[in-house]
Amino acid sequence: DIQMTQSPSSLSASVGDRVTITCRASQTISNYLNWYQQKPGKAPKLLIYTASSLQSGVPSRFSGSGSGTDFTLTISSLQPEDFATYFCQQSYNTPYTFGQGTKLEIK
Amino acid sequence: QVQLVQSGAEVKKPGASVKVSCKASGYTFTSYYMHWVRQAPGQGLEWMGILNPSGGSTTYSQKFQDRVTMTRDTSTSTVYMELSSLRSEDTAIYYCTRELGAPGNYWGQGTLVTVSS
Repeated sequence: DIQMTQSPSSLSASVGDRVTITCRASQTISNYLNWYQQKPGKAPKLLIYTASSLQSGVPSRFSGSGSGTDFTLTISSLQPEDFATYFCQQSYNTPYTFGQGTKLEIK
Repeated sequence: QVQLVQSGAEVKKPGASVKVSCKASGYTFTSYYMHWVRQAPGQGLEWMGILNPSGGSTTYSQKFQDRVTMTRDTSTSTVYMELSSLRSEDTAIYYCTRELGAPGNYWGQGTLVTVSS
């Protein structure tokens, strides 16, 4: 199975900050990397697919980059509604595996 | 609009089975793959398997291979996930999700399955 490792596991930031979350795959996954946002008590929401494509309706302050084994999710200017947990997920091959999550908290 | 509506919470004893349903509406049911993902309390997301509603073919995670069965009923646009030989570690929220990691991604509201003696 492909292991997905996110860093950091948690992060404190302020409204307006630029934030970057990284995800590393245990083997190359080309650009088959997706990012999700999850708020307490809710289902995950797809933000970015195939590493850098913005899902419809997602604000442009979210962006993704990377290929191969190393990927990043960047939020250019944090808004209050962005405080949540973020997961990466590979869809290169089954089993489709997720990172352990990054909890983004208000400083 | 696309909706995935899951069945209600379940409480099961160890060793029992649970069958969770996911009723799809607002799109052509057979045109999109359906995945099942679970999340233990306070934990991360775990992919369980995928079902092709068109032909009914499935691919399961090796972890669940001998305990999970995913099926569909095209007449009611419903997919099912049955997990057998339940143990306490199976306590989780189970989600159906259409087209995981693709632009057409939608999620059900989740079904809490509690395994307790």
